[in-house]
Amino acid sequence: DTAVSQTPKYLVTQMGNDKSIKCEQNLGHDTMYWYKQDSKKFLKIMFSYNNKELIINETVPNRFSPKSPDKAHLNLHINSLELGDSAVYFCASSQEPWTPDTQYFGPGTRLTVL
Amino acid sequence: ELKVEQNPLFLSMQEGKNYTIYCNYSTTSDRLYWYRQDPGKSLESLFVLLSNGAVKQEGRLMASLDTKARLSTLHITAAVHDLSATYFCAVDGKAAGNKLTFGGGTRVLVKP
Repeated sequence: DTAVSQTPKYLVTQMGNDKSIKCEQNLGHDTMYWYKQDSKKFLKIMFSYNNKELIINETVPNRFSPKSPDKAHLNLHINSLELGDSAVYFCASSQEPWTPDTQYFGPGTRLTVL
Repeated sequence: ELKVEQNPLFLSMQEGKNYTIYCNYSTTSDRLYWYRQDPGKSLESLFVLLSNGAVKQEGRLMASLDTKARLSTLHITAAVHDLSATYFCAVDGKAAGNKLTFGGGTRVLVKP
């Protein structure tokens, strides 16, 4: 019955590898997001999709590429991983963008790049 | 660029006492949110404040918004151990680029 789920929960990998994180929501929401939380707990938005269309694309390296195959899924692919990519990545969803709508967050994926 | 600042960054509380966390933001924003994050866990929505003077309460937590001062407060009444967590405020709205911008978080530790 998990509303927003992410896989994997933990990801440990070597520098230079390519990895993906998957996110699914079963809330029927139209909008999904990716956030990065660094080691100091600072949270920053990376991307947002509304109905499979990219609506927010923050200044992140182009090694990060989101993909939304449908409204319920938003995946994050990261190429050529670097040490600085180590963080917790949260997926979130909301009914609509640009409205006073609470975002529901997934459990997070802790990425460690060695 | 919108900036959201919380203080204090860390708050050590004694059970039974009252405390306040402050959230300042730098530009006009339409909405202010408070979230709670337990260690190693996800973010849980606490409150959404939409207008000047808005006040919301849930249990021992009460949040208020002063849009003129660009300030929100999260007041904790008679702190209990279960409230130990990190609390984040976040704002969004047209002036904020329609994206949620978070404060740095306030880590709360309630001691017996």
